[in-house]
Amino acid sequence: EPEVTQTPSHQVTQMGQEVILRCVPISNHLYFYWYRQILGQKVEFLVSFYNNEISEKSEIFDDQFSVERPDGSNFTLKIRSTKLEDSAMYFCASGITSKRLNEQFFGPGTRLTVL
Amino acid sequence: DQQVKQNSPSLSVQEGRISILNCDYTNSMFDYFLWYKKYPAEGPTFLISISSIKDKNEDGRFTVFLNKSAKHLSLHIVPSQPGDSAVYFCAASAQNTGNQFYFGTGTSLTVIP
Repeated sequence: EPEVTQTPSHQVTQMGQEVILRCVPISNHLYFYWYRQILGQKVEFLVSFYNNEISEKSEIFDDQFSVERPDGSNFTLKIRSTKLEDSAMYFCASGITSKRLNEQFFGPGTRLTVL
Repeated sequence: DQQVKQNSPSLSVQEGRISILNCDYTNSMFDYFLWYKKYPAEGPTFLISISSIKDKNEDGRFTVFLNKSAKHLSLHIVPSQPGDSAVYFCAASAQNTGNQFYFGTGTSLTVIP
């Protein structure tokens, strides 16, 4: 069964460093998302991406964040200058349609620890 | 800003009994609701959904009930099985939020054999 994969599973970085989190969505999906979950808190929407551009983003997704689909398979989230409060689980998701009845398939997450 | 709330962080149920997980929301514009299940070290997995035109949706052992006037939804699992032990998140979205889902904080369900 196709699945969304994410690498690395755990990333440790120093505050102020740039990190790139990688995701490989399901191959025939067209809509891509990033979510994060700070430990003990709710899952929060960050951004959605379609047709090589951001379609929606939340207030969390400020200028420090960017997303890219550099080739036909990868979908990346870059944090330019990490802060302590960026420590969280980051989930990538993909969906085949923008219809709101779609199911978003989630990856296993990358745990980001900022020291 | 917690538009979706799951007030019970944990729930324990005997195998074979009914598990009832609750979720409340504050945004009356929400018109689509989902439940996700999450095992440790895995991402959330879609379980069941309901749109606001319905008040019940059933899929096998899982039934979701929606009470729009109370802004409340619940997930019933019957009979509960040990493999159902996981964290359950409810999520909601509205027409004007597009594909953005708002998640609750999750309820950890333990089904005791």
